[in-house]
Amino acid sequence: QVQLVESGGGVVRPGRSLRLSCATSGFIFSSSAMHWVRQAPGKGLEWVAAISFDGSNKIYADSVRGRFTISRDNSKNTVFLQLNSLRAEDTAIYYCARDIYGWSFVLDYWGQGTGVTVSS
Amino acid sequence: SSELTQDPAVSVALGQTVRITCQGDSLRSFYASWYQQKPGQAPVLVMYGKNSRPSGIPDRFSGSSSGNTASLTITGAQAEDEADYYCKSRDISGNHPIFAGGTKLTVL
Repeated sequence: QVQLVESGGGVVRPGRSLRLSCATSGFIFSSSAMHWVRQAPGKGLEWVAAISFDGSNKIYADSVRGRFTISRDNSKNTVFLQLNSLRAEDTAIYYCARDIYGWSFVLDYWGQGTGVTVSS
Repeated sequence: SSELTQDPAVSVALGQTVRITCQGDSLRSFYASWYQQKPGQAPVLVMYGKNSRPSGIPDRFSGSSSGNTASLTITGAQAEDEADYYCKSRDISGNHPIFAGGTKLTVL
């Protein structure tokens, strides 16, 4: 069965960095675009970033562009999110999700999320 | 505008029909997808495209779209349908995904 497992979250001071990982199994990872979505405490879902199946296309929300970087390793079936220059407003649960097909932006499988807290 | 808007809260009596709507200019060009999220859990895709349901989603869930409005309809709402529902589509350029703010559904 399809599984997505995020890791790498934690408590970090403002301005510091963190790298999130999402290990996947149960599907052909190298054929799937992948996304990161976050949810601040008590708030709604916010799409953060996406990467195409081969890593050639990457897109970001305005709120994170220039600070966050999405990448993938198809040999390890893993997608990453590098979070730099972290701010208090980046505090959230970060979910990785699979694009159902192509570059559809429909997310059919989600991980359970990893929490990031930015606090001094 | 690249925004999508939903009513913050909707309620429905057990067994009745409820429609959750999502409005935005981009919905004139792009389909919405809908996600159900229960407390402490990851979102679950319940509807996408013109009216497609992932496997395992009950057929009481259906989707539709007209003009700048996409709708998720639950026909015969059950207690287990109580959750937050999020509409998602693309911005007006089509190049980025966007979520609406979500609707909290209460089943009375």
